[in-house]
Amino acid sequence: SAVISQKPSRDICQRGTSLTIQCQVDSQVTMMFWYRQQPGQSLTLIATANQGSEATYESGFVIDKFPISRPNLTFSTLTVSNMSPEDSSIYLCSVASPLAGGLSGQKTNTGELFFGEGSRLTVL
Amino acid sequence: RKEVEQDPGPFNVPEGATVAFNCTYSNSASQSFFWYRQDCRKEPKLLMSVYSSGNEDGRFTAQLNRASQYISLLIRDSKLSDSATYLCVVGAAGNKLTFGGGTRVLVKP
Repeated sequence: SAVISQKPSRDICQRGTSLTIQCQVDSQVTMMFWYRQQPGQSLTLIATANQGSEATYESGFVIDKFPISRPNLTFSTLTVSNMSPEDSSIYLCSVASPLAGGLSGQKTNTGELFFGEGSRLTVL
Repeated sequence: RKEVEQDPGPFNVPEGATVAFNCTYSNSASQSFFWYRQDCRKEPKLLMSVYSSGNEDGRFTAQLNRASQYISLLIRDSKLSDSATYLCVVGAAGNKLTFGGGTRVLVKP
């Protein structure tokens, strides 16, 4: 398994400001994923953070709004920029099981994702 | 139509009873299927993978019906600790995983 530490665990922010969420993994993985879970909703993939290249964003999410850094194989950050109340959500960092090829690029992804405890963001 | 659909529930289940619920998916090319469990205010955790032949893990049984494009989860002898939201997750080519909206289960004494 993988142990993922996220911070902050929660924050209350003012409209128009930006917040950076950090994600630290206890093992090296090629891909890290950032999800959003809005109140009462399921998880939506924002982007895949690739080490050594730009993040890959899903439809509806753009780099200007959610810039991502991935400086090494164990760390990533997600910034929520120019926040509005609609950005109030839980943001979750995730990695695929390293034993299932997470390090080699998920070629044999078993589908087991490990999640951080999430960062609960409230925008006023 | 959502890619992965679930009955949101809640399913109110007497302790010791059996509960079952389904998840439908729209992409016929989907390749992998999973059930995750999410407790209130916690992160999701893998409950079990779903194989073509169906699989069982203790009190939990998962089935896949490719023809009708759905998977199911059955919980026998429900425990109070089974109360959670169960997320259906479907994987397509490129290892992209899509989460369903979750089915909430409440087991009551």
